[in-house]
Amino acid sequence: KQEVTQIPAALSVPEGENLVLNCSFTDSAIYNLQWFRQDPGKGLTSLLLIQSSQREQTSGRLNASLDKSSGRSTLYIAASQPGDSATYLCAVNGAGGTSYGKLTFGQGTILTVHP
Amino acid sequence: DADVTQTPRNRITKTGKRIMLECSQTKGHDRMYWYRQDPGLGLRLIYYSFDVKDINKGEISDGYSVSRQAQAKFSLSLESAIPNQTALYFCATSDGMAIPYEQYFGPGTRLTVT
Repeated sequence: KQEVTQIPAALSVPEGENLVLNCSFTDSAIYNLQWFRQDPGKGLTSLLLIQSSQREQTSGRLNASLDKSSGRSTLYIAASQPGDSATYLCAVNGAGGTSYGKLTFGQGTILTVHP
Repeated sequence: DADVTQTPRNRITKTGKRIMLECSQTKGHDRMYWYRQDPGLGLRLIYYSFDVKDINKGEISDGYSVSRQAQAKFSLSLESAIPNQTALYFCATSDGMAIPYEQYFGPGTRLTVT
């Protein structure tokens, strides 16, 4: 059974700092890994999707990397802003066995960026 | 218009009542999913369907049932709602012909069972 863990559970940083969010997963048989943003009580906003054959994806100040063999991904946020404050969720899309075609989510990292 | 819509967006109901949450999509995708999210937790899969005639239980299907009325519609029912089913519910879709099978989410339904 696929398990996804996100570290840290919460992070508070001053504005302007660069930061890294971590995601690990137990089964390397995946089609892709997605990073989502969720504002309190709101829906999911897809930030980046990394296919299993890719090593990283970039969008603006965000960069996500994937090391499938070690079961790890990182989301790097450059020059953080108060507007980046949200919960960040990592999810892997299974490619084999009972995880096929299903997303397994981590519990999220709550990010607070203070002015 | 949004590609994946959910109705209602908010619902308050009483213990023991039957309730249906509906999901519709205009993306033409064959795969549809229902997830729930409890406070402070990630999403967990309730049911999923890879085509109209295919229904599968997810991680937490007890107390729920689903109906795939058409390729574009996937409904989630709580036959007899209980307070611990209070949660945020999300529907998602994906294209089973398009690796890497990215999932697209609806805006969510906030359900409160009193």
